[in-house]
Amino acid sequence: EAQVTQNPRYLITVTGKKLTVTCSQNMNHEYMSWYRQDPGLGLRQIYYSMNVEVTDKGDVPEGYKVSRKEKRNFPLILESPSPNQTSLYFCASSLYSGTTYEQYFGPGTRLTVT
Amino acid sequence: AQSVTQLDSHVSVSEGTPVLLRCNYSSSYSPSLFWYVQHPNKGLQLLLKYTSAATLVKGINGFEAEFKKSETSFHLTKPSAHMSDAAEYFCVVTASSNFGNEKLTFGTGTRLTIIP
Repeated sequence: EAQVTQNPRYLITVTGKKLTVTCSQNMNHEYMSWYRQDPGLGLRQIYYSMNVEVTDKGDVPEGYKVSRKEKRNFPLILESPSPNQTSLYFCASSLYSGTTYEQYFGPGTRLTVT
Repeated sequence: AQSVTQLDSHVSVSEGTPVLLRCNYSSSYSPSLFWYVQHPNKGLQLLLKYTSAATLVKGINGFEAEFKKSETSFHLTKPSAHMSDAAEYFCVVTASSNFGNEKLTFGTGTRLTIIP
């Protein structure tokens, strides 16, 4: 089954404790992206990657890191989480070939930083 | 630059009556437009997309949307609401000017409530 998976689905952590949210897709997509969803703000892009070893900032990259060492995986790293990073996070992927391709979303990771 | 405005944060309709969710967009280039739906505690599912072909786009579950360039609108409609349509709906725009970043710009969402 074609899908984007994220782990963990739920995470409660404390300020300053490094964490990684994993994202994996099995569709051989070149393009992957991370979004955060906050009430009243919709989804905002954090980082994106057009292919292996190619990443760039989205609209709200502060406090986050990413890496793309393999095509299928695109982990989101919070080196020193803070309470304002409490949010619902979505990973997405698509074929990199223009704007007409559907982006497939993972199920989301709900992160709480205390 | 691109942006999306969803004109209603909350819409309530009775079961069996029409649904209209309004969306206006702004884009410097030819846009692609999408509607996504998010059911409670679920991920995002694509309802339909417009990519410069037919201006009236049909999607899943009886939804459709019409691209009106002159009005910069992409409103979502359904002739008859069903209880299972209760969810949050996002209007989304992207454009070929993003130089490889297929960034989706989301509206702030419209919560659809269906009254039995």
